[in-house]
Amino acid sequence: GQSLEQPSEVTAVEGAIVQINCTYQTSGFYGLSWYQQHDGGAPTFLSYNALDGLEETGRFSSFLSRSDSYGYLLLQELQMKDSASYFCARGSTLGRLYFGRGTQLTVWP
Amino acid sequence: DTAVSQTPKYLVTQMGNDKSIKCEQNLGHDTMYWYKQDSKKFLKIMFSYNNKELIINETVPNRFSPKSPDKAHLNLHINSLELGDSAVYFCASSSDRAGTDTQYFGPGTRLTVL
Repeated sequence: GQSLEQPSEVTAVEGAIVQINCTYQTSGFYGLSWYQQHDGGAPTFLSYNALDGLEETGRFSSFLSRSDSYGYLLLQELQMKDSASYFCARGSTLGRLYFGRGTQLTVWP
Repeated sequence: DTAVSQTPKYLVTQMGNDKSIKCEQNLGHDTMYWYKQDSKKFLKIMFSYNNKELIINETVPNRFSPKSPDKAHLNLHINSLELGDSAVYFCASSSDRAGTDTQYFGPGTRLTVL
């Protein structure tokens, strides 16, 4: 199957660190991506991991462990504007992206 | 400046009608996609075209017919609209079809079928 599992909701306060986990099924795996989507907006790319380890892009980092079929997105120094849905997505053959159901992050002041 | 654009942004129509959504990208990408996002925010790939050639049809009903007149455009025509077709439809593009490259999404078309 193509399913990915991630928590449906996470809440945190401004300035905090939050980790959003994602587990996936491994058939035809081409890497794990993360996308952010604000209400009413389009998904926008945040990060991609093809190999094990940590990728850092500013306040956001993403980690992948292929042996555990697991990844996470780490958001540091949270800001109000980070309130959005975050999707992990598994790359597959021919450019397919299979998305998880999204994690709604709410950042409180 | 717009990378991936879609028209219309909103579409409200009656069951049984036929409608089209248009998408254009100015990124020079070879691959374009259609995704459907339902009311629970589940985002599912429908089709992919690479250089005007259909490469993915993710078991979508044949009431949905994509067309790519050139590699910068991918349109979606829907016949005999049903209530369950109500969703947000996103077009996206990427520079390759290997599943490793960033996909750039358009702003979405919110389709409401009454």
